[in-house]
This record gives sequence, structure tokens and C-alpha cells, in this order.
Amino acid sequence: NAGVTQTPKFQVLKTGQSMTLQCAQDMNHNSMYWYRQDPGMGLRLIYYSASEGTTDKGEVPNGYNVSRLNKREFSLRLESAAPSQTSVYFCASTKDRGDTEAFFGQGTRLTVV
Amino acid sequence: QQQVKQSPQSLIVQKGGISIINCAYENTAFDYFPWYQQFPGKGPALLIAIRPDVSEKKEGRFTISFNKSAKQFSLHIMDSQPGDSATYFCAAAWGTASKLTFGTGTRLQVTL
Repeated sequence: NAGVTQTPKFQVLKTGQSMTLQCAQDMNHNSMYWYRQDPGMGLRLIYYSASEGTTDKGEVPNGYNVSRLNKREFSLRLESAAPSQTSVYFCASTKDRGDTEAFFGQGTRLTVV
Repeated sequence: QQQVKQSPQSLIVQKGGISIINCAYENTAFDYFPWYQQFPGKGPALLIAIRPDVSEKKEGRFTISFNKSAKQFSLHIMDSQPGDSATYFCAAAWGTASKLTFGTGTRLQVTL
């Protein structure tokens, strides 16, 4: 079982460049999430998708956009990367909004120079 | 504003000892309190969770204690083992795993 798969695992960007972080889950989950993890700050929710076709902002959405491509895939886009977006990004999924366990991918470590 | 405060930031415990990590929350609407365990290079994984209708939940060596009036909850790891060395995050949510609000994490090291 792959669970939640994120690509790439590592990425270095120059300030102003754009990129898309990919996430796919094979558990037939309805809800998907993007978090960022920074030292001393825990994980903070960027965007989430309660179901296919819907997306909503989380705690720290500025500078990001998302696309729920289909039930399996949820991508995060940085249009113009900034050093403040250097972080480890985690995608997660839950069966639905009523589920009690979130499954996380292994993360994407992004450095913006 | 940190809605879930976690302490300590780091913890060193000898093998066989008890590890205790504390969290406090502010929003009384929270009604689901999970703990996640994260190993280096991996994503967090659910360890144990509690709802405020009970004061304690135990799963093996892991116990959550919950104090609703104080708006505090804690994780106790009994007979700590080197394999427990990881970062632990408390979290809170309204009713479900969606939109989790995480604490800042505690790095636990269990020494031989």
C-alpha cells in the first residue's frame, strides 16, 4: 500500500520561480490537505479539499494555490517562490470530514534561495 | 496566535522511564485531540487520540490524560524505549481529523 505519495522529495528554487508539488493517495479518501512544517511552529494548514471539486483556505494560504485534479490527486502551486516559503510540505488525506485519522505523505523539503 | 501550546520542546528520558509531554488549548470548541508521532524523514502518523467525554485513554504503553476544565491534555509514554525516539505533536480539531491545529512539537530522545 503506497498510501499518500508526494513528489518531489527535495527541491531547490530560486526566488521568483514557480513550481507545483504533487500529491496522490490510493486509499479512496475524499478529503485532502496541505500542511507546511517549520521548526518551532509545528504543522500549519495551507489549503484543504473536503471533497473532489472543492478547495478552501487554511491558516496560511498566502502565496499558494491548489488544484484538486480528481479524487486521488491534490497539487500545491507556488507561483512566485519566496525565501519565507522554505519549509517541509506535507500532504495528508482523510476518508472524509468525519474521519478521525489523517494519513500523511513523507513530505517535500523545499528550499528557496 | 498559538491555539495549541506544547511543552517541553525537547525531552531526554532513560530507557524504562516515563516520558510526559503536555499540551494546552484555548479554543473550547475543540473536541478531538490526537497525538502524532514523527520519525526523521517521515510524515507524522497517528499515535493515539481522545475526545473530551473521557479523562484518560490508554493504548499499550501510551496514555492520554485529559483535563477539560483546565483545557490541558498530556501524553504519557510508560517504559520508554529507544525506538520511541521521535518528535511528538499534539493537535486539536473540531470533531474530525480535518483542519488539525498542531502544537509546536516535542523531540523525545530515549537513551540506553
